[in-house]
Amino acid sequence: GQNIDQPTEMTATEGAIVQINCTYQTSGFNGLFWYQQHAGEAPTFLSYNVLDGLEEKGRFSSFLSRSKGYSYLLLKELQMKDSASYLCAVRDSNYQLIWGAGTKLIIKP
Amino acid sequence: NAGVTQTPKFRVLKTGQSMTLLCAQDMNHEYMYWYRQDPGMGLRLIHYSVGEGTTAKGEVPDGYNVSRLKKQNFLLGLESAAPSQTSVYFCASSSGTGESQPQHFGDGTRLSIL
Repeated sequence: GQNIDQPTEMTATEGAIVQINCTYQTSGFNGLFWYQQHAGEAPTFLSYNVLDGLEEKGRFSSFLSRSKGYSYLLLKELQMKDSASYLCAVRDSNYQLIWGAGTKLIIKP
Repeated sequence: NAGVTQTPKFRVLKTGQSMTLLCAQDMNHEYMYWYRQDPGMGLRLIHYSVGEGTTAKGEVPDGYNVSRLKKQNFLLGLESAAPSQTSVYFCASSSGTGESQPQHFGDGTRLSIL
């Protein structure tokens, strides 16, 4: 079967750095997405990786290793507004997105 | 700046009642999707559409029907609601499935079945 694993919850301090991991086992691979979802709101697109390596977007970076079935989202200079759930999703061989359950990130002052 | 609009935002139904959730997008996207999001689980695809007049089943289609009569609208129907369909429903759209084309989501419909 297809499976996406992420930690359920993480806590970090304002101004610090946090890394959220995602491992996947899917039928085929056509890209990996990270989304941010604030409580009670819609998921919003953060990043996309299809080749191995690091993609940087301001305070957020995302890394992919296809051979290891592994990705991480790195958030730097954490701000209180970064408190949210972070969803990892893999596009499979049918070009459908398979979603992880999300990682709830709690930022403490 | 509307993007993807879902109506209604909240609804409470009794078991056996029917209802239709409406999704409208103004980005001229070809692809549209209906998901449900339940606590502790990832988003699960109910049905999707790759263009006007087309629909296809996703991972959890039972108990739901859809229609895409106009490109900008995607309707999700519950013919006979069951408590197991209590969930948050999200509609999404995308311009395609190639490269980095992400899905854009509506704000969700919170549905409770009593």
